[in-house]
Amino acid sequence: SQKIEQNSEALNIQEGKTATLTCNYTNYSPAYLQWYRQDPGRGPVFLLLIRENEKEKRKERLKVTFDTTLKQSLFHITASQPADSATYLCALVGRNTDKLIFGTGTRLQVFP
Amino acid sequence: DAGVIQSPRHEVTEMGQEVTLRCKPISGHNSLFWYRQTMMRGLELLIYFNNNVPIDDSGMPEDRFSAKMPNASFSTLKIQPSEPRDSAVYFCASRADYQETQYFGPGTRLLVL
Repeated sequence: SQKIEQNSEALNIQEGKTATLTCNYTNYSPAYLQWYRQDPGRGPVFLLLIRENEKEKRKERLKVTFDTTLKQSLFHITASQPADSATYLCALVGRNTDKLIFGTGTRLQVFP
Repeated sequence: DAGVIQSPRHEVTEMGQEVTLRCKPISGHNSLFWYRQTMMRGLELLIYFNNNVPIDDSGMPEDRFSAKMPNASFSTLKIQPSEPRDSAVYFCASRADYQETQYFGPGTRLLVL
């Protein structure tokens, strides 16, 4: 069955360091992958999208990579700040569908 | 734009009661999605509509769940009868056909006692 895995344990890092979050998937051939941020008590907010034929995407301090051979996406936040503390969700979309399949998310905590 | 609007924000009910959750998508968006989020199962898609027509309801857990979209600006998710295992946060999201991004509402936190 299709499976999307993200680190279930929280990631704790010091302010200024680079945070790297992992999203692995199996039994799936996504057309594209998205990353969302979710704060407590709120809905997810879209951050970045990367397509299957793209290796890397950047937006300000954010960078996403997509390796369809490894079936993995990495999400990087450089120069992390306490305000980056949140849960980060990856989501995959298959071909000919609008369905987003979400991972369970990784909670990031950035300490000053 | 006010974004996706959901009501109520919190709902506490007793087992066996009917629960109706409401969603107003962003104006101009053609697709509407209902999700359920729990600690155990994460964020799961229940059903989605395109141009008010249900496209995929394979995530609806049981016949106790039903969803409607009578027009482009309103959708409901109904649970009848409700059970304690239905306790979760229910999110509505909308999307325009020319975008891949979904915009989520603030969610309805449901507790069934």
